[in-house]
Amino acid sequence: QKEVEQNSGPLSVPEGAIASLNCTYSDRGSQSFFWYRQYSGKSPELIMFIYSNGDKEDGRFTAQLNKASQYVSLLIRDSQPSDSATYLCAVGISGGYNKLIFGAGTRLAVHP
Amino acid sequence: ETGVTQTPRHLVMGMTNKKSLKCEQHLGHNAMYWYKQSAKKPLELMFVYNFKEQTENNSVPSRFSPECPNSSHLFLHLHTLQPEDSALYLCASSLRGGRGTGELFFGEGSRLTVL
Repeated sequence: QKEVEQNSGPLSVPEGAIASLNCTYSDRGSQSFFWYRQYSGKSPELIMFIYSNGDKEDGRFTAQLNKASQYVSLLIRDSQPSDSATYLCAVGISGGYNKLIFGAGTRLAVHP
Repeated sequence: ETGVTQTPRHLVMGMTNKKSLKCEQHLGHNAMYWYKQSAKKPLELMFVYNFKEQTENNSVPSRFSPECPNSSHLFLHLHTLQPEDSALYLCASSLRGGRGTGELFFGEGSRLTVL
């Protein structure tokens, strides 16, 4: 059973701090990794994707990938109350075309 | 128009009813998906369609029956459901091929309650 694990949280950070969200996955052959954000009562939306080991930055967001450790993380710099949401890690399954496995998500709360 | 539209947004049905969920995408994508989201559980992939052909059925019970008449429309026909089937059903679309397949665009979901 291929799995994606996330700490459910809530992760509480003060406004302006760095929020660090983590994810581990079991499929060693996975090649594509995604972070989706889901506000309460809304559908998920893609915020970052990463395919190669290392860091990828997009504005206040940085995705980090370590395939050897089967570990993906998302850093949010200068956290804002509007970043409060559930963050879903998703992993593309090897040999499964179009198949993403999602983690249960980490709830982030940014307090003023 | 939003990219992916789902109807109805809310549905209450008895266990003996038959109903359908509808999804339409206006993004020119060629892959469509049904996901189930239950409280505190990961999103569960149910079905994948590429160019109208079903390419994934994730061991979904036969009381859920998908239909994809073209690349823009996707249905989920429901019959003799159980209370544990109550959940948010999300439709998504993407481009098939290459890394674009991971970039899913979701509809707002259909909240289903089975009594």
